Amino acid sequence: AQSVAQPEDQVNVAEGNPLTVKCTYSVSGNPYLFWYVQYPNRGLQFLLKYITGDNLVKGSYGFEAEFNKSQTSFHLKKPSALVSDSALYFCAVRERGGKLIFGQGTELSVKP
Amino acid sequence: GAVVSQHPSRVICKSGTSVKIECRSLDFQATTMFWYRQFPKQSLMLMATSNEGSKATYEQGVEKDKFLINHASLTLSTLTVTSAHPEDSSFYICSASFPLTGNTEAFFGQGTRLTVV
Repeated sequence: AQSVAQPEDQVNVAEGNPLTVKCTYSVSGNPYLFWYVQYPNRGLQFLLKYITGDNLVKGSYGFEAEFNKSQTSFHLKKPSALVSDSALYFCAVRERGGKLIFGQGTELSVKP
Repeated sequence: GAVVSQHPSRVICKSGTSVKIECRSLDFQATTMFWYRQFPKQSLMLMATSNEGSKATYEQGVEKDKFLINHASLTLSTLTVTSAHPEDSSFYICSASFPLTGNTEAFFGQGTRLTVV
C-alpha cells in the first residue's frame, strides 16, 4: 500500500526565515505526490505536485518542493516565511483511481 | 483552478435526524468524487468514492447505510448522514478531479462542519 509520512506535527519559524515541511513517501512504481494547505474550517488548497520531470517543483504562494528519489522524500520549502503561511499542511500521494492518501499533517506556525 | 462547491458550510442538527451535504463541481464534470472526514487537528480519512451512475465504494469500517452517497449527475454528489449521533460530529470534505487523467490534482470543497446535538 502506498503511504506518506510527515514526521513533524508542528514546525515553528520566524517570519522572513526559510521554512521546510518534511514528507517521505512509500510507493510502488512512480509516485504522484502533492502538497495541500488547509486554513481553519476550510477545505484544502492545492500548492504543487510532482508527476515527472524536474525534481524541483514550483507552486503557489512562493512554495516549492524537491522530489528526492534516493531519500524517498518530497519536502515543502519556502525561502522566506510569512505570518500568513501559518496553516496546516498535508502531503499526499495519489493512488490508482484517483483517491489521495494523506500524511498526518504538519501545523506550521510563523511568528512575526 | 477548478472549483468545487460544498454546501452547507456549517450545520447543527438534532440527534436522530438526517443531514444532507452537497458537493458540486462548478466548471467541470466529475465522474468521480471523494468524501473525507476530518477530526480536529488530524488528517483526512477517506470515507468513500462516489461514482456517477453507480454505487459508491466505501472504505473499510465506514457504514454505507449510515453515510448514504448519491452521485446522480456529473456535477453533483451528495452525502447524507442518516440518524445522526453526536459521534458523527466532524468536518466533512469532498473532492473531485478532472476525469480520465492520472496526474491531475484534486480540488476540494470548502468543507462542512457538522455538529449533532
